[in-house]
Amino acid sequence: AQTVTQSQPEMSVQEAETVTLSCTYDTSESDYYLFWYKQPPSRQMILVIRQEAYKQQNATENRFSVNFQKAAKSFSLKISDSQLGDAAMYFCAYMTPGGSQGNLIFGKGTKLSVKP
Amino acid sequence: DVKVTQSSRYLVKRTGEKVFLECVQDMDHENMFWYRQDPGLGLRLIYFSYDVKMKEKGDIPEGYSVSREKKERFSLILESASTNQTSMYLCASSFTSGYTGELFFGEGSRLTVL
Repeated sequence: AQTVTQSQPEMSVQEAETVTLSCTYDTSESDYYLFWYKQPPSRQMILVIRQEAYKQQNATENRFSVNFQKAAKSFSLKISDSQLGDAAMYFCAYMTPGGSQGNLIFGKGTKLSVKP
Repeated sequence: DVKVTQSSRYLVKRTGEKVFLECVQDMDHENMFWYRQDPGLGLRLIYFSYDVKMKEKGDIPEGYSVSREKKERFSLILESASTNQTSMYLCASSFTSGYTGELFFGEGSRLTVL
């Protein structure tokens, strides 16, 4: 069975600094998607970034980028120039395409605090 | 913007009560989901539905049922609430065609069972 592990329950970063959140996963599939979702306090969870396993190039979305290491089954999220609005729970997630639609497997989450 | 609305942000119920959690989406999404979120456990899928009147069990369906009579509405039902069902419940929706993993979530319903 696929699993997603986030080993950092909590992280803290100074405003304007860079922080990296870790995620590892276990799968025997060769084709899959990986995601980072953000859940701000008392607000909806939203998709931050998506990576297709067949793409070697790491995905980027403005200040958010990933370091995807397929062989190591590692998928970390880097947040550059951290802002107060980045404070949130971050969830790493995995999905096999063609499986039950939308059945993402989520990690347990990392709570990110941003210090002014 | 996609909007997923959960009817109640906070509920307090007593053990044994029947509880309804309602979710409505306005983007004509085929798929709808109910997750349970607990500290240290992440999100766990309770049930999902890929069409009206269709439902599939997720990872933790015990003690829950669902109803989807209309495409835009997906209800989670706790037939007889128990204290171990105290949790945050998240509803989500998505397209089927061209789906690439983006779920659209509601703000959550925090249920306390006394």
